[in-house]
Amino acid sequence: EAGVAQSPRYKIIEKRQSVAFWCNPISGHATLYWYQQILGQGPKLLIQFQNNGVVDDSQLPKDRFSAERLKGVDSTLKIQPAKLEDSAVYLCASSPTGQAKALFFGSGTQLSVL
Amino acid sequence: DQQVKQNSPSLSVQEGRISILNCDYTNSMFDYFLWYKKYPAEGPTFLISISSIKDKNEDGRFTVFLNKSAKHLSLHIVPSQPGDSAVYFCAASAVNYGQNFVFGPGTRLSVLP
Repeated sequence: EAGVAQSPRYKIIEKRQSVAFWCNPISGHATLYWYQQILGQGPKLLIQFQNNGVVDDSQLPKDRFSAERLKGVDSTLKIQPAKLEDSAVYLCASSPTGQAKALFFGSGTQLSVL
Repeated sequence: DQQVKQNSPSLSVQEGRISILNCDYTNSMFDYFLWYKKYPAEGPTFLISISSIKDKNEDGRFTVFLNKSAKHLSLHIVPSQPGDSAVYFCAASAVNYGQNFVFGPGTRLSVLP
């Protein structure tokens, strides 16, 4: 069974530029999550999708972050414009159901904003 | 407000000995807990979980203990192996209330040969 795929693995941009991350969850997993992990901290949920609908985006900075999952499969997370404090690893995870017993994570995208 | 705490940023243990990683939580609604292991440049990998109806769950060398009254859980690794060297995250959820997982800041375990 293929795992959660994410790209790119690394991205370096200057502040005020925009960036996008892509995620393809495990086949058949209805729920998809985007997490932000700042160095030295645990992952923090940004947004949760159930199929192509948003379940929880309460911690997503909506003035600069956006995410979509148009066909209920893969998803993109965008930051526009980026700030220095957005430097982090962006992790995508998926689970078979909404009330997950475990999350399956991708390898993440390491973003550096200069 | 940090709902899940891992107060030891790092831990070093000799190979073959027991590793004990601790986690404390503040939200009494949490009813499901997980441990994840993370190697550098990889995503976290699920290790073991425990529901609040249990006080112990065992899987091979890994055992998780839950003390609900103290709002404390611990992960025991016996015997520790060099390949166990990684960052370990504790995560908690109020599953029956539809709440998502909240992660602790992690503990870096180093198993010395």
